[in-house]
Amino acid sequence: GNSVTQMEGPVTLSEEAFLTINCTYTATGYPSLFWYVQYPGEGLQLLLKATKADDKGSNKGFEATYRKETTSFHLEKGSVQVSDSAVYFCALTENTGGFKTIFGAGTRLFVKA
Amino acid sequence: DARVTQTPRHKVTEMGQEVTMRCQPILGHNTVFWYRQTMMQGLELLAYFRNRAPLDDSGMPKDRFSAEMPDATLATLKIQPSEPRDSAVYFCASGPDYNSPLHFGNGTRLTVT
Repeated sequence: GNSVTQMEGPVTLSEEAFLTINCTYTATGYPSLFWYVQYPGEGLQLLLKATKADDKGSNKGFEATYRKETTSFHLEKGSVQVSDSAVYFCALTENTGGFKTIFGAGTRLFVKA
Repeated sequence: DARVTQTPRHKVTEMGQEVTMRCQPILGHNTVFWYRQTMMQGLELLAYFRNRAPLDDSGMPKDRFSAEMPDATLATLKIQPSEPRDSAVYFCASGPDYNSPLHFGNGTRLTVT
């Protein structure tokens, strides 16, 4: 079946450091890929998405590129801020007649001032 | 801004009691998902609907959980009887189509004592 694997956390960085959170997936067909972010006490919200191979999603300084050859969708940001502290989820959606969205386990990020 | 609304936000109940959680999806969204989030298991897909028809509820313990969409503006998740291991945050999410992201509610935090 389809699955998403992302790096375990927590990840702790100093402000202005470079961030990478790895995500790989297993899927049949051609999924859409997403990164969601969750702040304390809230539901998940979309951070960025990519719907086909070699697409790059970007938002708020975060980027991720859909790499079909390596089945990856790694999240990067050049300079993190304290306000980026949250839990980040990688997800895929496959069009299987309905569409099921499957999430990775989440990676908690702490950014220190 | 259109939002997914979940009620109640918090629920504390005793083992054996019935629990009903409600979700109002965003108008026009034809797919509704129920997820459960715990520290140990992360985000688990319990059930999802498209155009009010259940597509997959294989993630749900059938003997005690049930999910329905009595109309397009209401989705319900019931647990009867509840058990302490059901303690978790339950999220509802809705989406318009395959390539679009899900919109999450703020969740129902359930505690079963």
